[in-house]
Amino acid sequence: NAGVTQTPKFQVLKTGQSMTLQCAQDMNHEYMSWYRQDPGMGLRLIHYSVGAGITDQGEVPNGYNVSRSTTEDFPLRLLSAAPSQTSVYFCASSLTGNEQYFGPGTRLTVT
Amino acid sequence: AQKVTQAQTEISVVEKEDVTLDCVYETRDTTYYLFWYKQPPSGELVFLIRRNSFDEQNEISGRYSWNFQKSTSSFNFTITASQVVDSAVYFCALSEAVNTGRRALTFGSGTRLQVQP
Repeated sequence: NAGVTQTPKFQVLKTGQSMTLQCAQDMNHEYMSWYRQDPGMGLRLIHYSVGAGITDQGEVPNGYNVSRSTTEDFPLRLLSAAPSQTSVYFCASSLTGNEQYFGPGTRLTVT
Repeated sequence: AQKVTQAQTEISVVEKEDVTLDCVYETRDTTYYLFWYKQPPSGELVFLIRRNSFDEQNEISGRYSWNFQKSTSSFNFTITASQVVDSAVYFCALSEAVNTGRRALTFGSGTRLQVQP
């Protein structure tokens, strides 16, 4: 099992550009989520999904879109990047929604 | 609303010292889970432990031990005989209500532990 994979590992965007952060898991987990990690603030939930076709907002959803067309994939889209979105992004998956397994993270810089 | 507080921003110890990382949580749920994750300098998040709110038994795993006290809403983590490899940021986290679909984790702000040789 590869577990939870994320691509890319690093990305630099200009303000206003759009991009998609990819997340995939091969553990057949129903629950997937996206967090962002900012210095001194821990991780905050952006969006989550409890199964294919079902998504919902977390604590900080503005500026991000998600979709879940398959159990395996849960991409995060930045519609128009802003410097405030400079962060480290973690994708996580879980069988039960409690014990969550995290991907290696994507470090995003918006200039 | 749920909240997790890790009041210690940074702790520095010398190798072989014992160190305790504090975690205090707030929740209105009667059923919940508590977690500790380790984030080494490489950046990944490593799961350490999960504790059910109904199980207040302390747990020991090698040099790691956890003290869960529901009466004080605390879930503290102790490393015995610390080693340089323990240097990392440690996060305490609380699950949302297990009877809802959301089931996200609320994280504390983390404690950076530096173990000096």
